[in-house]
Amino acid sequence: EIVMTQSPATLSVSPGERATLSCRASQSVSSNLAWYQQKPGQAPRLLIYGASTRATGIPARFSGSGSGTEFTLTISSLQSEDFAVYYCQQYNDWPPLTFGGGTKLEIK
Amino acid sequence: QVQLVESGGGVVQPGRSLRLSCAASGFTFTSFLMHWVRQAPGKGLEWVAVIWYDGNNEYYADSVKGRFTISRDNSRNTVYLQMSSPRAEDTAVYYCARDHFGGSFRFDLWGQGALVTVSS
Repeated sequence: EIVMTQSPATLSVSPGERATLSCRASQSVSSNLAWYQQKPGQAPRLLIYGASTRATGIPARFSGSGSGTEFTLTISSLQSEDFAVYYCQQYNDWPPLTFGGGTKLEIK
Repeated sequence: QVQLVESGGGVVQPGRSLRLSCAASGFTFTSFLMHWVRQAPGKGLEWVAVIWYDGNNEYYADSVKGRFTISRDNSRNTVYLQMSSPRAEDTAVYYCARDHFGGSFRFDLWGQGALVTVSS
């Protein structure tokens, strides 16, 4: 099973600033990596797939990068609606499909 | 309207059974793999199971294998999760989720979730 590790667990950033979230895989997942956003009481929403492709309707301030075992989600110029929990998920090797533990992005 | 709507959640005693349903609408149901993903209270996401377009293939997380069964009724545009012998650690919000496309094994459409509490 591929273990996904996200860091930091909590990230405090001011509105308008940039946020950088990290995700590491226990073995290579190539570019088969997705990012999701989850707000309290809501289902997750797909943001990024293929490590760097934005899903339909996702604003350009969200960008993903990386391959192999190291990945980054960057949110430039944070908006109030961006404060949420973010999860990475690998789909290179399954079953099982596995998620990281999440990074909570909070307002500084 | 493209959506997934879960039903069937509630309180179930350990060892009893519960069936969750997920009704799909607004898209061609038979063109997509369907998944169940769960989230224990205050915890992260855990993939549970996937079922193929025609229902002829299914895969499970080890934590539920042999106890849970995923199925689908394409005539009703509905996917199910039969939970047998549930345990306290199965307490979670259960989401059904649509595979993004082409067996991609990522999730682009989610239901609102159904809370299952396993307790005596």
